[in-house]
Amino acid sequence: GNSVTQMEGPVTLSEEAFLTINCTYTATGYPSLFWYVQYPGEGLQLLLKATKADDKGSNKGFEATYRKETTSFHLEKGSVQVSDSAVYFCALSGRGGNKLVFGAGTILRVKS
Amino acid sequence: GAVVSQHPSWVICKSGTSVKIECRSLDFQATTMFWYRQFPKQSLMLMATSNEGSKATYEQGVEKDKFLINHASLTLSTLTVTSAHPEDSSFYICSAILRGTGDQPQHFGDGTRLSIL
Repeated sequence: GNSVTQMEGPVTLSEEAFLTINCTYTATGYPSLFWYVQYPGEGLQLLLKATKADDKGSNKGFEATYRKETTSFHLEKGSVQVSDSAVYFCALSGRGGNKLVFGAGTILRVKS
Repeated sequence: GAVVSQHPSWVICKSGTSVKIECRSLDFQATTMFWYRQFPKQSLMLMATSNEGSKATYEQGVEKDKFLINHASLTLSTLTVTSAHPEDSSFYICSAILRGTGDQPQHFGDGTRLSIL
C-alpha cells in the first residue's frame, strides 16, 4: 500500500538557518504529493503541493520538488523564522483518489 | 480565511455520554468530508470518508456504531462519539473537498479536542 516516511524530529534551528525536512514515499502509479503545516492547537493547512514528477511546489518561502527517481519530496526553506515553528506533515494521494496518507509529522522549533 | 469550521473546539464530558462534533464548509459546497483522529505527537489517522446523502465509508478498525457520521447536506457533516470513554479522548479533525476542485486539496478544520473524564 501507499506510505510516507518523514525524518523524525524534533528539528531545532536558530532563526535564519536553512531548513530541510526529508520525506520519501512508496506508492503505485503517480501520486500527488503535499506538505501540510499544523500550528499548536489548530488543524492542518496546506503549505504546498506537486502533482507530477519534477514539479516544484512553493509557498511562503518553502519549496519542495517531486523527485520520482528517488521517490522523495523534501521540504526546504532558506531562512526560517520563529513563526515557522509548527508540525509539518508530508502526505500523498493516489492518482484518481481523494484519500490522503500522512507521514508521522516532524516538529520544527525555531529559536530566536 | 477559513473554509472549514469545526465546532466545538474543545469539549470535556463525563464517561458514558455522547458527544457531537460539527464540521461545516463555509461559503462552498463540499462533495466529500473526511474525519481524522490524531493522538498526541502522532500523525492523523483517517477514520471515515463521508459523502452527502450516503453512508460513510469507515476505515478498517474503526467502529461505525461507536463513531456515527451523518452528512445531511453539502455543507455539514457531524461526528457523534457514542457512549464516550476515556480511551476516546483525542483530537478529532475534519476536512472537506470543495465541489468542482477534483480530488484535492482537502481543507481542514481547526480540530476538536475531546477529553472524557
